[in-house]
Amino acid sequence: NAGVTQTPKFQVLKTGQSMTLQCAQDMNHEYMSWYRQDPGMGLRLIHYSVGAGITDQGEVPNGYNVSRSTTEDFPLRLLSAAPSQTSVYFCASSYADEQYFGPGTRLTVT
Amino acid sequence: QKEVEQDPGPLSVPEGAIVSLNCTYSNSAFQYFMWYRQYSRKGPELLMYTYSSGNKEDGRFTAQVDKSSKYISLFIRDSQPSDSATYLCAMSVGALGLGSRSGAGSYQLTFGKGTKLSVIP
Repeated sequence: NAGVTQTPKFQVLKTGQSMTLQCAQDMNHEYMSWYRQDPGMGLRLIHYSVGAGITDQGEVPNGYNVSRSTTEDFPLRLLSAAPSQTSVYFCASSYADEQYFGPGTRLTVT
Repeated sequence: QKEVEQDPGPLSVPEGAIVSLNCTYSNSAFQYFMWYRQYSRKGPELLMYTYSSGNKEDGRFTAQVDKSSKYISLFIRDSQPSDSATYLCAMSVGALGLGSRSGAGSYQLTFGKGTKLSVIP
């Protein structure tokens, strides 16, 4: 039981490049979400999903896309990276009272 | 005014002290309250969860919710150097992950900015 896994751990992108941050969970949780964490801003919700085939926007969705084709996977796509997207990204999955976070992806956009 | 306010600290206490961490909120619809602990360069981990006013105890940790004042607290007794971390409060209108696919907006956690705690040996 690996919990929530995220890849890559670190990434450097140039402005305008696209990439996908991977997130997977093996706990059969329906609810999954993506957050970004910036100094002085706390954790902010980007997108979330209440089950396969259903996604919705959070507080800061612009510049990001998500899809949920399986219960296990919830990838986050950056369409055209901008320096403002430099951040630490956390994926989380939850069931009932419990929410589990992945170890994070540190992204730098130059 | 941000929905959830949390003093970012930093807070530095000697080992063995009682620590009090607090958050205030403005949205009276919040019903579920959580405290997370986040070590440096790690993901947050859930410490305490409550959905009612009053106190909930778990070992050295006590979570307190006062819905009438829109105020929540986390107390740490006999603090240890291993408690040094950033503590995040979080709250939501609905419970997460119960499987219901209705009620958009009930599944979003709103976090405070976190309080950085250092426990000095």
